[in-house]
Amino acid sequence: EDQVTQSPEALRLQEGESSSLNCSYTVSGLRGLFWYRQDPGKGPEFLFTLYSAGEEKEKERLKATLTKKESFLHITAPKPEDSATYLCAVQALGTDKLIFGTGTRLQVFP
Amino acid sequence: DTGVSQDPRHKITKRGQNVTFRCDPISEHNRLYWYRQTLGQGPEFLTYFQNEAQLEKSRLLSDRFSAERPKGSFSTLEIQRTEQGDSAMYLCASSLVSGRAGEQYFGPGTRLTVT
Repeated sequence: EDQVTQSPEALRLQEGESSSLNCSYTVSGLRGLFWYRQDPGKGPEFLFTLYSAGEEKEKERLKATLTKKESFLHITAPKPEDSATYLCAVQALGTDKLIFGTGTRLQVFP
Repeated sequence: DTGVSQDPRHKITKRGQNVTFRCDPISEHNRLYWYRQTLGQGPEFLTYFQNEAQLEKSRLLSDRFSAERPKGSFSTLEIQRTEQGDSAMYLCASSLVSGRAGEQYFGPGTRLTVT
């Protein structure tokens, strides 16, 4: 069964303190891995798509990487406005549906 | 704003009543998805359409749930005889089908509370 596990469940960082969020996955055949950001009471906001092991993508303070078993979202020198829940999802070959993890709730304090 | 829109944003209903939600996708997108999200969980897939054809439906989806996309544009999700367990955020997303995995863009959601 296709599955996504994210860790940690919650993360508290001081402003400027870099860290990484983990997404472990099992999927019959990976079509794509997605990272989203979700603010309270809002829909998920698309961040990245990764397609194959070794691929990396960057956007401002965020960098996503992918291996055959997991993905990392690295946050460099975070700011309070980076506080949100970060969701990881996989899409298997032959389907369009996304299978999400439960997310990592990030809080960045000034 | 040309993003995904959903209506209503909030709905409070009594157990046993029927409710209907609407989703308007990004105009050039041909795929439309419905997900459900409860507190502390990630979104859970319900169903998706390519144009007006419903291509996949979750096995977890009760017969009380039905979705339509009659002209390949907007979509409606109806829940009949609502139960307290239906309380959740209902999210709609759209994408442009391509050979690779297409990014799904989400709307703001409809929060349903069943009393």
